[in-house]
Amino acid sequence: KAGVTQTPRYLIKTRGQQVTLSCSPISGHRSVSWYQQTPGQGLQFLFEYFSETQRNKGNFPGRFSGRQFSNSRSEMNVSTLELGDSALYLCASSSATGDSLSSYNEQFFGPGTRLTVL
Amino acid sequence: GQQVMQIPQYQHVQEGEDFTTYCNSSTTLSNIQWYKQRPGGHPVFLIQLVKSGEVKKQKRLTFQFGEAKKNSSLHITATQTTDVGTYFCAGGSYGGATNKLIFGTGTLLAVQP
Repeated sequence: KAGVTQTPRYLIKTRGQQVTLSCSPISGHRSVSWYQQTPGQGLQFLFEYFSETQRNKGNFPGRFSGRQFSNSRSEMNVSTLELGDSALYLCASSSATGDSLSSYNEQFFGPGTRLTVL
Repeated sequence: GQQVMQIPQYQHVQEGEDFTTYCNSSTTLSNIQWYKQRPGGHPVFLIQLVKSGEVKKQKRLTFQFGEAKKNSSLHITATQTTDVGTYFCAGGSYGGATNKLIFGTGTLLAVQP
């Protein structure tokens, strides 16, 4: 099976702009989670989508949003970019089902999108 | 909110020495997973522990889950240069019909040949 893919791999934006990141999960996986990784804060959970519904959310401002499509592909959007949004954004998919607790499923991470905000 | 801390943040060892990283949660965990991230790479799943007091081994790696399910450890015996990377624990938080993984702060392991 192909792994998790993320596009673009690198992105440079300026403050105030918005950005959309894309993630294609492993075939058959319906759960997609997004994480922000920075040297100072480590891996921070943004949100999880399952069957087009957000079912878990981290502690990020409303500028961070996401969605999932019927084919399980997911997008993450950040509006009004700030310098502090510079980070590696990782997407992970899992074989979690509607009945299973999200945290019990192995996360398969994509290579990430490196976002730089100038 | 729930926090998962890891110590040490950084460890430098000589090849052949042992290494241990500790993971501590402010709340009881439903389960714990461990991941390894090589420099420039993405996290890769190593193992999951679910039961109180559980111990699992993978070749030179030994994983433990505390009796109170609030802490965990990863021990590597006789480190090799291929062990270089950042090791993350990720704890499952209780609450509601679904829960989420909270990642620890990570321990960066450097191995000198």
